Amino acid sequence: AQKVTQAQTEISVVEKEDVTLDCVYETRDTTYYLFWYKQPPSGELVFLIRRNSFDEQNEISGRYSWNFQKSTSSFNFTITASQVVDSAVYFCALSEGSAGNMLTFGGGTRLMVKP
Amino acid sequence: GAGVSQTPSNKVTEKGKYVELRCDPISGHTALYWYRQSLGQGPEFLIYFQGTGAADDSGLPNDRFFAVRPEGSVSTLKIQRTERGDSAVYLCASSLTSAGTEAFFGQGTRLTVV
Repeated sequence: AQKVTQAQTEISVVEKEDVTLDCVYETRDTTYYLFWYKQPPSGELVFLIRRNSFDEQNEISGRYSWNFQKSTSSFNFTITASQVVDSAVYFCALSEGSAGNMLTFGGGTRLMVKP
Repeated sequence: GAGVSQTPSNKVTEKGKYVELRCDPISGHTALYWYRQSLGQGPEFLIYFQGTGAADDSGLPNDRFFAVRPEGSVSTLKIQRTERGDSAVYLCASSLTSAGTEAFFGQGTRLTVV
């Protein structure tokens, strides 16, 4: 069975600091997808990224970057120069094979960015 | 509509009552998903529709939970004989196809069973 672990339940940083959110996953499938979602206080889950298991290239989007390492089953998320608006709960998720958007979520990491 | 719409946004019901939660997906999205999120936890998958049929209902916790999508658009999640443990935020998501496209989530229905 698949599993996603986000060991950091809560992180607090000061604005402009860099912060990395950890995600470790377990799956027996060779084909799978990894996701990150942001959940602001409004409650709506906002899609950030999807990465398939065959693409280990790191990705950068503005202040966001993702480091996918199959050797350690990790898909970590870094926010550079954090801002107060980044405060939210962040979820890492996994779907196997052709499961599409049937996602297994981690427990989430609450990020608080203080001014 | 512009996004996934869920109604009501909040529902308080008494233990033992029946409730229905509604999800309006983004127009044209064939895949629809229901998740349940308990306080302080990540969402848990309940059921997935492709068109009108339930393609996977393996996440439904027991037979008190049922969902329909009769015309391949709006979906209703139905909970019979509600229990206090059913209290959670119920999230709906839709995607253009079943795989390879991102899922968009609604803001959820917060269900409280008293």
